[in-house]
Amino acid sequence: AQSVTQLGSHVSVSEGALVLLRCNYSSSVPPYLFWYVQYPNQGLQLLLKYTTGATLVKGINGFEAEFKKSETSFHLTKPSAHMSDAAEYFCAVSAPGSARQLTFGSGTQLTVLP
Amino acid sequence: DTAVSQTPKYLVTQMGNDKSIKCEQNLGHDTMYWYKQDSKKFLKIMFSYNNKELIINETVPNRFSPKSPDKAHLNLHINSLELGDSAVYFCASSQDLVSSSYNEQFFGPGTRLTVL
Repeated sequence: AQSVTQLGSHVSVSEGALVLLRCNYSSSVPPYLFWYVQYPNQGLQLLLKYTTGATLVKGINGFEAEFKKSETSFHLTKPSAHMSDAAEYFCAVSAPGSARQLTFGSGTQLTVLP
Repeated sequence: DTAVSQTPKYLVTQMGNDKSIKCEQNLGHDTMYWYKQDSKKFLKIMFSYNNKELIINETVPNRFSPKSPDKAHLNLHINSLELGDSAVYFCASSQDLVSSSYNEQFFGPGTRLTVL
């Protein structure tokens, strides 16, 4: 079984400030990890993914995330927030071989203040 | 070109009615999914469908039934609608599980269902 915990259902940052969205996972096997973004009234869009290899992964729109096995974490960061980053962000996990089972966290609403 | 499309975008109906939501993907994927997003934005998988194999989530009432006329389409039929069915329903697709070792899913824009 696998699960995802996103700490903080709402995060507010000022424009230009660092964005840090937290995600911790639980998985009985080495996981595949994903971050998705949902803009208002839209579907989910993949930001980035970790499967194997380099633990620091870069995604679209300047986002990146680091897989830390010892901390079972996959936090999402962006050095400088932009107003257009305001959205709902979802962390998700799947186990290799059971790829149909994509388990999502509860989401974090990011607000960017001018 | 929209990769994963859903119709309708909004659906308002009365309790007890039967309704369908359509989903089509033009990505050539073999696996399709339905998710339900509740009012608190929590996303939960309902079904996945791969090459005629349907995987049913045990928590989904049997009033919900997916139907796949071909691998590019996965429609969701809901019978005897209840107030608690109000949610946003997302369709998604991914590559065949044999050719892809991970599950990057592409999502449709969602269908907001309101049951009165």
